[in-house]
Amino acid sequence: QKEVEQNSGPLSVPEGAIASLNCTYSDRGSQSFFWYRQYSGKSPELIMFIYSNGDKEDGRFTAQLNKASQYVSLLIRDSQPSDSATYLCAVKKGVGNQFYFGTGTSLTVIP
Amino acid sequence: EAGVAQSPRYKIIEKRQSVAFWCNPISGHATLYWYQQILGQGPKLLIQFQNNGVVDDSQLPKDRFSAERLKGVDSTLKIQPAKLEDSAVYLCASSPLPGGTEAFFGQGTRLTVV
Repeated sequence: QKEVEQNSGPLSVPEGAIASLNCTYSDRGSQSFFWYRQYSGKSPELIMFIYSNGDKEDGRFTAQLNKASQYVSLLIRDSQPSDSATYLCAVKKGVGNQFYFGTGTSLTVIP
Repeated sequence: EAGVAQSPRYKIIEKRQSVAFWCNPISGHATLYWYQQILGQGPKLLIQFQNNGVVDDSQLPKDRFSAERLKGVDSTLKIQPAKLEDSAVYLCASSPLPGGTEAFFGQGTRLTVV
C-alpha cells in the first residue's frame, strides 16, 4: 500500500475557476502534510503545509485536512495559467519523520 | 541564504558503469534526503540522514546504491553498476529539523543510462 495516493489527472480548469486537488494517506500516524508544486523540469517547491484538522488559507490557496478520513486537499481559487504544473502531496510520519510523496496531479489552467 | 547545491546537473553513462552525485545542504540543516524521481512519477525516498546517521534507507537498492553523509554535512549518492531503469532525476533535499518543517530541494541531477 502506498503511503500517499493522488489522482494523476490530468486535471483541466478554465482560467478563474477553482481547482481542487485531492490526496489520501495510509498511515493514521502521519503527522504533517505538505503541498508542493513542480513545474516541468524543475524541482518541487513548497506551497503550504497543514498539521491540524480543518482549513488553512494562504492567498489563493486553501489546504484542507481531515484526519478521520485520512484525506488532504488543496483548493486553488481564481486559477491562473501560471498555476499549470504538477502538484505533489507529501506527508511526514514515523519516529524519524520520513517524508513521503505522492505521484502528483497534473493541472492545466486553460486561458 | 544559499540553497541546496547539487552536482552534476546532468550525467549520461552506459549501463554497468558507475556514477556519483554530490549534495551540499543548506547550512545548519540536520536532515538530508535523497529522492529518485522517474519521469511522470512523484519523488521516491531513497535514504534519509539525520546529521551523519541513517534514519531510513528501506527503499534504497543496496545491491547497487550507496550513500554517505560526510561529517553530517555534504552527502554523496553512488550507483554501481547502473541499470537502464536507474534513468531518473536524483533530488537532494534538506530540512532544518527532523520534524514539522518542509524540505528544501536542490535542482537535481538528471541521469540517463544508455
